[in-house]
Amino acid sequence: DTAVSQTPKYLVTQMGNDKSIKCEQNLGHDTMYWYKQDSKKFLKIMFSYNNKELIINETVPNRFSPKSPDKAHLNLHINSLELGDSAVYFCASSQDLAYNEQFFGPGTRLTVL
Amino acid sequence: TQLLEQSPQFLSIQEGENLTVYCNSSSVFSSLQWYRQEPGEGPVLLVTVVTGGEVKKLKRLTFQFGDARKDSSLHITAAQPGDTGLYLCAGRIYNQGGKLIFGQGTELSVKP
Repeated sequence: DTAVSQTPKYLVTQMGNDKSIKCEQNLGHDTMYWYKQDSKKFLKIMFSYNNKELIINETVPNRFSPKSPDKAHLNLHINSLELGDSAVYFCASSQDLAYNEQFFGPGTRLTVL
Repeated sequence: TQLLEQSPQFLSIQEGENLTVYCNSSSVFSSLQWYRQEPGEGPVLLVTVVTGGEVKKLKRLTFQFGDARKDSSLHITAAQPGDTGLYLCAGRIYNQGGKLIFGQGTELSVKP
C-alpha cells in the first residue's frame, strides 16, 4: 500500500550507459515530479507532469527524458550517463498543480562509475 | 533565480535544548512548507504556512511565516533524539505549476 514507489532503490552503472528509473503513485494524483538531490542534500526540481502533460522542465540536459504513460506513472530515462549524474533521484506527486503537499517516493541512489 | 537560504546547515545539540532553523529569501512565496527527511527515505511534509505572519504549532515544533512571505522559521522546544534528521524548507512560487524551491537543508543531531 505504498503511496509513491520507485524502482530500483539503488543503481550502479558505468559512464556512457543508458538507464531508467520507474515511479508509480497509487494516490490518484494528477501531478508528478522528478527531483535530484545532490551529495550536499540539496533538492532541486527537474520535471513536473500534470495529467501526462509536461509542465516544468527545469533546464535539465536533454539526456534526461521523462515519460508519463498514464497519470499514475512517471518514468525517467537517462542517456549517456556522466559522473555528475550521480545523485539520489526522488519522484513525488501532488493532488494537482494547486495543491501544496507533495508526497515523495523513497528515492533511487544512482552511482555512475 | 529564486533562492532560499537555510541556516544553519548543521546543528548538533543535547537533548532538552531549544533550537531555531531559518529560511530567508528575496522572493515572495505563495506558501512555504517544511519537510523532514530520514536517511534513505524521501522528505515528508511537516507543515504548510500560507498567510503572512502565520504561526503553526506541531507538538514541540513551532513554524512561522514572515509578514512579507519571504522568510520562515522552525523552532523546536526541548529537542529529543527522535527529532534527529534533515529539515528542509521549500517555497512555492506563484503561477509556476507547483514548483517548489528548496533550501539547502539543516542536518539536526540531538544527542541523548
